[in-house]
Amino acid sequence: DSGVTQTPKHLITATGQRVTLRCSPRSGDLSVYWYQQSLDQGLQFLIQYYNGEERAKGNILERFSAQQFPDLHSELNLSSLELGDSALYFCASSVGSEQFFGPGTRLTVL
Amino acid sequence: GIQVEQSPPDLILQEGANSTLRCNFSDSVNNLQWFHQNPWGQLINLFYIPSGTKQNGRLSATTVATERYSLLYISSSQTTDSGVYFCAVSRDNYGQNFVFGPGTRLSVLP
Repeated sequence: DSGVTQTPKHLITATGQRVTLRCSPRSGDLSVYWYQQSLDQGLQFLIQYYNGEERAKGNILERFSAQQFPDLHSELNLSSLELGDSALYFCASSVGSEQFFGPGTRLTVL
Repeated sequence: GIQVEQSPPDLILQEGANSTLRCNFSDSVNNLQWFHQNPWGQLINLFYIPSGTKQNGRLSATTVATERYSLLYISSSQTTDSGVYFCAVSRDNYGQNFVFGPGTRLSVLP
């Protein structure tokens, strides 16, 4: 157990819908990262927050947004969902350079 | 951006055998981690190893940063070692923008 929690574990929804994925980092970790793992793209970095502020952006679509709250938990919002958004979404946290990953949320868009 | 290659892409071993997995990266990095993704999709930290050598039980890793590669050694493999092994690198001192390799899929047969 890495200490990073993610909810829900599984999410099934329809095209065009909006969903919110939640992540709680390890106690004391200020940085939260979001990654997407799809069959065709592999594991890709989406976005990083540090103590509530956006720090780095990767291959995140404009339909996706994220935020980190004062209690350091983070939410990833995915809107206007498409079939191709079906993937495993991971959250990771760190206090320094080493990242620890949560169990992931498996999103299926039908 | 940084390119990460892993070899071999697939590996089938008999239980008890040893193996070496390789990660090559195209530019200098400040951070490197090895992960094991088990058949349930969990990403498990194996090593944080931007340089040098580390050992943890039957697993050990070596990173030669000046030559831009890292090796993961698995000795006396067990069926529970099956899964996909990923190498991830970053140029940033705080582990941002992790770039993952495509992974090595390991199957250990009883």
